[in-house]
Amino acid sequence: EPEVTQTPSHQVTQMGQEVILRCVPISNHLYFYWYRQILGQKVEFLVSFYNNEISEKSEIFDDQFSVERPDGSNFTLKIRSTKLEDSAMYFCASSDGVNNEQFFGPGTRLTVL
Amino acid sequence: GENVEQHPSTLSVQEGDSAVIKCTYSDSASNYFPWYKQELGKGPQLIIDIRSNVGEKKDQRIAVTLNKTAKHFSLHITETQPEDSAVYFCAAKDTGRRALTFGSGTRLQVQP
Repeated sequence: EPEVTQTPSHQVTQMGQEVILRCVPISNHLYFYWYRQILGQKVEFLVSFYNNEISEKSEIFDDQFSVERPDGSNFTLKIRSTKLEDSAMYFCASSDGVNNEQFFGPGTRLTVL
Repeated sequence: GENVEQHPSTLSVQEGDSAVIKCTYSDSASNYFPWYKQELGKGPQLIIDIRSNVGEKKDQRIAVTLNKTAKHFSLHITETQPEDSAVYFCAAKDTGRRALTFGSGTRLQVQP
């Protein structure tokens, strides 16, 4: 069964450094998403991406964040200058756009020291 | 914006018993309500969903009910098994938006 994959599974970085989190969505899906989950808190929406542009974003997704689909398979989330409060689990998801179903990857745990 | 409340935060049942998790939502424009199961170290897995044009949906031991008037929906798991132990999240999606708004999660423990 096709699934969303994410790399790395765990990323440790120093405050102020740039990080790139990578995702490979399900191959025939057209919509891509990033969510995050701070330890012990709700899963929160960050951004959705369709047709090579951002279709929706939350207040969390400020100028420090950017997304890109650099090729036909990868979808990336870049955090330009990490802060301690960016420490969280980041989930990528994808959907086919016909149904509302969103399928999540296993997540990348980001630790900012 | 949408706000989703979920109860209880933890639930412990004996194997074979039923488990019920309840969620309420605030935005009457929401029309899609999925439930996710998250096991330790894994991403949320979609287990069942319901759209606002139906009141109930079943899939084997899992069922979801929706009351649009009261703006609440519930997950029912019958004949629980130890492998049902996980954190369950409800979510809601507004018409015309892509973002899912999640509840705070319920940790279900099924005691053998």
